[in-house]
Amino acid sequence: EAGVTQFPSHSVIEKGQTVTLRCDPISGHDNLYWYRRVMGKEIKFLLHFVKESKQDESGMPNNRFLAERTGGTYSTLKVQPAELEDSGVYFCASSRGQGGYYGYTFGSGTRLTVV
Amino acid sequence: GQSLEQPSEVTAVEGAIVQINCTYQTSGFYGLSWYQQHDGGAPTFLSYNALDGLEETGRFSSFLSRSDSYGYLLLQELQMKDSASYFCAASTGGFKTIFGAGTRLFVKA
Repeated sequence: EAGVTQFPSHSVIEKGQTVTLRCDPISGHDNLYWYRRVMGKEIKFLLHFVKESKQDESGMPNNRFLAERTGGTYSTLKVQPAELEDSGVYFCASSRGQGGYYGYTFGSGTRLTVV
Repeated sequence: GQSLEQPSEVTAVEGAIVQINCTYQTSGFYGLSWYQQHDGGAPTFLSYNALDGLEETGRFSSFLSRSDSYGYLLLQELQMKDSASYFCAASTGGFKTIFGAGTRLFVKA
């Protein structure tokens, strides 16, 4: 089966601009997660979708971040306007069931640099 | 707060055995996972321990002690390709998983 695909792999934008990240999960995986890793720190939870519904968005840093998952397929994460502290690697992951037991399948991430 | 602690770096020699420790502090706990990530790649699921004890999968083994809030990943017969970052992750319930900051393993010839 195809893996989790993220686009773009890298993005460099100026402070105040908008960036949209895209994630295509494994087909049939109802659960989709966004995570972020900043400056070699922990991989931090942002939010969790079950199909098209936001199950948990407690990790979203502020209202400059907007995630959507139209039709329960691919997901987008928009940052508007971007700030310097938003720089990091944004990972998307999907799972069929509960991620702990079955494990998450991660994408390779989008490295976002805000200058 | 909820957190996982693991060493930032470990160095070992090819063919040796290395143990990467992880201690966790979470409000809920269902199990401990381990992931491997090569530079620029996707974190890859290695193992999951829900119960105390040792789980072996080939050259890799993972251990959990719930009473000590502690686990480790054991890598045997180290190979150069094992050089990567290793993350421990705690399932805290509600489909939520919290990750550590990762341990960078350097394998030397």
